[in-house]
Amino acid sequence: KAGVTQTPRYLIKTRGQQVTLSCSPISGHRSVSWYQQTPGQGLQFLFEYFSETQRNKGNFPGRFSGRQFSNSRSEMNVSTLELGDSALYLCASSKTGVEGEKLFFGSGTQLSVL
Amino acid sequence: DAKTTQPPSMDCAEGRAANLPCNHSTISGNEYVYWYRQIHSQGPQYIIHGLKNNETNEMASLIITEDRKSSTLILPHATLRDTAVYYCIVRVRGVDNYGQNFVFGPGTRLSVLP
Repeated sequence: KAGVTQTPRYLIKTRGQQVTLSCSPISGHRSVSWYQQTPGQGLQFLFEYFSETQRNKGNFPGRFSGRQFSNSRSEMNVSTLELGDSALYLCASSKTGVEGEKLFFGSGTQLSVL
Repeated sequence: DAKTTQPPSMDCAEGRAANLPCNHSTISGNEYVYWYRQIHSQGPQYIIHGLKNNETNEMASLIITEDRKSSTLILPHATLRDTAVYYCIVRVRGVDNYGQNFVFGPGTRLSVLP
């Protein structure tokens, strides 16, 4: 059974650009969540999607957005990139996202903003 | 904010048991305790989770105190490959008190020494 797949693995952008990251969850998983990891702030929750609807969100500016497709694949977008957006972006999936379920993480996309 | 507290770092001799403590004094009756670990620049890896009873799987054992205010992750025979940051997590309600997400604290950096 394939794990959570994130593409691309590495990305380099410049300030002001926008970027789209992709996540394919484990087959059968309908909940997809996104996390940002930086050396200073650690792992922080961005948002969670279930059945194509954003169900939960963290404290990030509106430049961070996401969506989920009918096949549960998800994308996140960051517009008007800032240097501080350089981070490891992690996607995680679970069957329905309820309490007691395991959350499985992908290997992440390492974004560098120059 | 994270609902758990952990020591920032621990050392363990190779081949010995590693016992990683976690305090979660505000945990509610229906909330699980999850343990993940992260090796540098990879996505967090699921280890184990539990509600009330002690749990064991092929990776580790989880001991939860009777009052559920603390727990201990036990790696029975630590190897050098167990060197990682270990996160103890209790899920929290989302921003609008809807849904729930994993809130990661700084974790415990476990160093397994030869």
